[in-house]
Amino acid sequence: GAVVSQHPSRVICKSGTSVKIECRSLDFQATTMFWYRQFPKQSLMLMATSNEGSKATYEQGVEKDKFLINHASLTLSTLTVTSAHPEDSSFYICSATRGDSNQPQHFGDGTRLSIL
Amino acid sequence: QKEVEQNSGPLSVPEGAIASLNCTYSDRGSQSFFWYRQYSGKSPELIMFIYSNGDKEDGRFTAQLNKASQYVSLLIRDSQPSDSATYLCAVSSGGYQKVTFGTGTKLQVIP
Repeated sequence: GAVVSQHPSRVICKSGTSVKIECRSLDFQATTMFWYRQFPKQSLMLMATSNEGSKATYEQGVEKDKFLINHASLTLSTLTVTSAHPEDSSFYICSATRGDSNQPQHFGDGTRLSIL
Repeated sequence: QKEVEQNSGPLSVPEGAIASLNCTYSDRGSQSFFWYRQYSGKSPELIMFIYSNGDKEDGRFTAQLNKASQYVSLLIRDSQPSDSATYLCAVSSGGYQKVTFGTGTKLQVIP
């Protein structure tokens, strides 16, 4: 199967802290990685699409300077929430796919971020 | 704007029954169709994907695709309480276009 590892699983930190979340495809090379955010009892919201070696494509309304995405290799993408505030508290989930959008996305376990 | 519609539920079925989850989509050019299961507080996990009209079976799960009517469904046979979750339908128009997720149907299997 396709395994995607996401770390850390849970973060609790003070307002103003920057938080980095890692997403790794363990057994395949991920052409594309995606970052989602999900608030309680709401649906997945795509934040950005990340391709190895190029700049991420952000969805409308997502601040690229607030949510920094780096996709340095075919197996690793990182999301940094800069100067996090309580309203950034959410469940952040990454996914990865081998090829184009006809290939299924495989999700990491998610990171629950709580900003105090 | 491409849309994927699902009834939010909850859909309640007794244990052992067949659960039928439906999804309709707006883009007639859609090529790939995915079903994910998401337990409360967890991330989605892939159950099945289907590309061609007709049925695709995997264990207790059957995906059904009808491109002419623009719907895709997921049947769960012999439903178990452990199947209780939210089921997400996702549709792709191919290439490097964005995959569109439905808002999910909550399934409750009653023991």
